[in-house]
Amino acid sequence: AQSVSQHNHHVILSEAASLELGCNYSYGGTVNLFWYVQYPGQHLQLLLKYFSGDPLVKGIKGFEAEFIKSKFSFNLRKPSVQWSDTAEYFCAVNGDNNAGNMLTFGGGTRLMVKP
Amino acid sequence: EAGVTQSPTHLIKTRGQQVTLRCSPISGHTSVYWYQQALGLGLQFLLWYDEGEERNRGNFPPRFSGRQFPNYSSELNVNALELEDSALYLCASSLTRSREETQYFGPGTRLLVL
Repeated sequence: AQSVSQHNHHVILSEAASLELGCNYSYGGTVNLFWYVQYPGQHLQLLLKYFSGDPLVKGIKGFEAEFIKSKFSFNLRKPSVQWSDTAEYFCAVNGDNNAGNMLTFGGGTRLMVKP
Repeated sequence: EAGVTQSPTHLIKTRGQQVTLRCSPISGHTSVYWYQQALGLGLQFLLWYDEGEERNRGNFPPRFSGRQFPNYSSELNVNALELEDSALYLCASSLTRSREETQYFGPGTRLLVL
């Protein structure tokens, strides 16, 4: 079985601060990794995804994430957050032990950006 | 292009009742996934349908069931509702069953069981 941990449940930052949200997964095989975002009142949207290749993945709205296989991590980063980044962020994994494309999600991190 | 749509948006039921939730995938998408987002439990995979067949299910009792129609839309049925079934039920679709396909999520149906 695979699991995903997001250790930061709530994060509060001021605008222009740098952001790093942690994501660790437990599965030793090949994984596909995703970060989704849920803005207030909106549905889940894909921020970025990693399947293979360059472990540094760039997504929408200036977000990026780095896959570090040795650490089983896929942390999300943004150099300078904006008030509009206030949202809940979910890390998800799909391991090759899955008979399909089911995602295992972390518990989510609520980010509040103060103007 | 229309996204994933779900109906109804909100629903209130009482214990023991049955409920049916509906999902229409993005046009051309053949795979539909159902997830439950319950308070304190995060997003949990419920069911996966592809090409009209149930392909996999998560760790949920058999009273959670569903189906996928020839037009790839899907229904989630929950029988004998319990209080802990109160949650946001999310539907997602992907173009194919490939593990590298992105899942696109709908707005969800919020179910309250009293």
